[in-house]
Amino acid sequence: EVQMVESGGGLVQPGGSLRLSCAGSEFIFSSYAISWVRQAPGKGLEWVSGISGSGGRTHYADSVEGRFTISRDNSKNRLSLQMNSLRAEDTAVYYCARATTAVSRGPFDYWGQGTLVTVSS
Amino acid sequence: EIVLTQSPGTLSLSPGERATLSCRASQSVNRDLAWYQQKPGQAPRLLIYGASSRVIGLPDRFSGSGSATDFTLTISRLEPEDFAVYYCQQYGSSRALTFGGGTKVEIK
Repeated sequence: EVQMVESGGGLVQPGGSLRLSCAGSEFIFSSYAISWVRQAPGKGLEWVSGISGSGGRTHYADSVEGRFTISRDNSKNRLSLQMNSLRAEDTAVYYCARATTAVSRGPFDYWGQGTLVTVSS
Repeated sequence: EIVLTQSPGTLSLSPGERATLSCRASQSVNRDLAWYQQKPGQAPRLLIYGASSRVIGLPDRFSGSGSATDFTLTISRLEPEDFAVYYCQQYGSSRALTFGGGTKVEIK
């Protein structure tokens, strides 16, 4: 069964950095684009960033452009999100979500269980 | 950025009733529109893609329709497990993907 498992969340001070990871299994990792989607407590879903199956194309929401960097290591079936200059408004559960092809950026047919990032002093 | 507006914000219905959820886009997304269901403490679950295609295994009481800027998710007869929050998402934009604000379907 396809699985996506996030890790790396935690408490960080404003201005700090954090690196999230997402491990995929039971599918050909490089054949699928993957995105990060976040959900602030009690709020709706917000797409954050996406990367193509090869890793050659990346996209970011305006709210994180220049602060977050998405990358992937297909040899290790792993996706990462490096988050710098964190702000209180970045507090959310972060999900990794698999798109249906290597190049399409959506829809998302498999999601991880999420990892909580809390930005607070 | 394409803005998706979902209505109503909350739908109060009884089991067995019909639910009609709306999603309106600020500009055409063709048929690049998906619907997700989310229950408390769980990740979203894909229901509908391409505006009207059901994922494998989805009961046929769920149906999607629409194109361009106006889309509808219909649940023909609500089952107890259908009470949840539903989000639409457009994935056709060359820039940001966006989600609607969600519609909560609650038990009346």
